[in-house]
Amino acid sequence: DGGITQSPKYLFRKEGQNVTLSCEQNLNHDAMYWYRQDPGQGLRLIYYSQIVNDFQKGDIAEGYSVSREKKESFPLTVTSAQKNPTAFYLCASSINRPGELFFGEGSRLTVL
Amino acid sequence: KQEVTQIPAALSVPEGENLVLNCSFTDSAIYNLQWFRQDPGKGLTSLLLIQSSQREQTSGRLNASLDKSSGRSTLYIAASQPGDSATYLCAVEWDSNYQLIWGAGTKLIIKP
Repeated sequence: DGGITQSPKYLFRKEGQNVTLSCEQNLNHDAMYWYRQDPGQGLRLIYYSQIVNDFQKGDIAEGYSVSREKKESFPLTVTSAQKNPTAFYLCASSINRPGELFFGEGSRLTVL
Repeated sequence: KQEVTQIPAALSVPEGENLVLNCSFTDSAIYNLQWFRQDPGKGLTSLLLIQSSQREQTSGRLNASLDKSSGRSTLYIAASQPGDSATYLCAVEWDSNYQLIWGAGTKLIIKP
């Protein structure tokens, strides 16, 4: 079945550590996105990529980094520079410009 | 500034009732509007996408309408069921902005 797979589902990190969240899709979509979700707020865009080897910053890119070396994969690294990283992270994809979005199940990061 | 607002933040109704969820947005020059469902701790599922040229979309017991002139969309749920309990989010894409702007969602509880 086609879809988006995020891993890990839960992740705990000590302050000062970098962590990488995985996002893989087999929908053959060109565009991929990373969102952050905090309680009581709308989703906020961290990074997006419209094509392999290209990506753009969203509204809250500081403290995060991404790569898009393959069409299927769009990993997100949460660096130690991110001041408040505890959140629910969602990866999504679409055929091209946002259009209909398909989401993974999310990764919950907790900083201890 | 382009903004999306969903009121109320939470809604509780008895099973079997028809109900309406609201989404309002600034700037009528939208490209499309989407409604999503999110179950606790899960990713989002796209319910309906309305293009700017459309007035409504229907899927089963769900009907979404769009009134650009008033900056409003409604999601109508007919004959509500306990399984409809979830958070419903709307997101708007504008012609001038590739990114989706999200409402904070309405948490819906259907009481058996």
